Amino acid sequence: EAGVVQSPRYKIIEKKQPVAFWCNPISGHNTLYWYLQNLGQGPELLIRYENEEAVDDSQLPKDRFSAERLKGVDSTLKIQPAELGDSAVYLCASSLGGLGTLNTGELFFGEGSRLTVL
Amino acid sequence: SQQGEEDPQALSIQEGENATMNCSYKTSINNLQWYRQNSGRGLVHLILIRSNEREKHSGRLRVTLDTSKKSSSLLITASRAADTASYFCATAGAGSYQLTFGKGTKLSVIP
Repeated sequence: EAGVVQSPRYKIIEKKQPVAFWCNPISGHNTLYWYLQNLGQGPELLIRYENEEAVDDSQLPKDRFSAERLKGVDSTLKIQPAELGDSAVYLCASSLGGLGTLNTGELFFGEGSRLTVL
Repeated sequence: SQQGEEDPQALSIQEGENATMNCSYKTSINNLQWYRQNSGRGLVHLILIRSNEREKHSGRLRVTLDTSKKSSSLLITASRAADTASYFCATAGAGSYQLTFGKGTKLSVIP
């Protein structure tokens, strides 16, 4: 079974430029997460989707960050314009979702997209 | 914000020794999970322990949970060089399956 796929793995841009990250979750996983991980820190949630609906985006800086999950499968995370402080790893994760008996809460992570803003 | 807090921040041991990492959290939980992250890679789920469980085993891993003290520990027995990684605890709040991660413990196992 394929895992969570993210691209690009690495991206270097100059400040004020736009950047986009793409995520393909595990087939059948309804819940998709975008996390931000700074160096030496744990992941911090940016946004969580249940199917197409963003159910928690309280930590997403909406002035420059946007995300979408069309058709409830793939997702993109965009930053425009990027700032120096946005340099970090952006992790996508998926899970079965919901509060049903099949949902253990276990998250499956992609390898991450490392962003460097110069 | 990060609820879980791991201790120690870094741990260096010899191969074959046991490694113990601790996690403290602040609010009521549904479950607590441990993840591993190799350098430059994504996180991998290791083990989940529910709030009504006190101990759980998986291979060389042993996890304990003390809800009265709001703490958990991860024990890796007979460590190997390949266990070198960062280990994170993550808590799922009561009534929610949203996970909040700690800052992690960086484990180095010296061959």
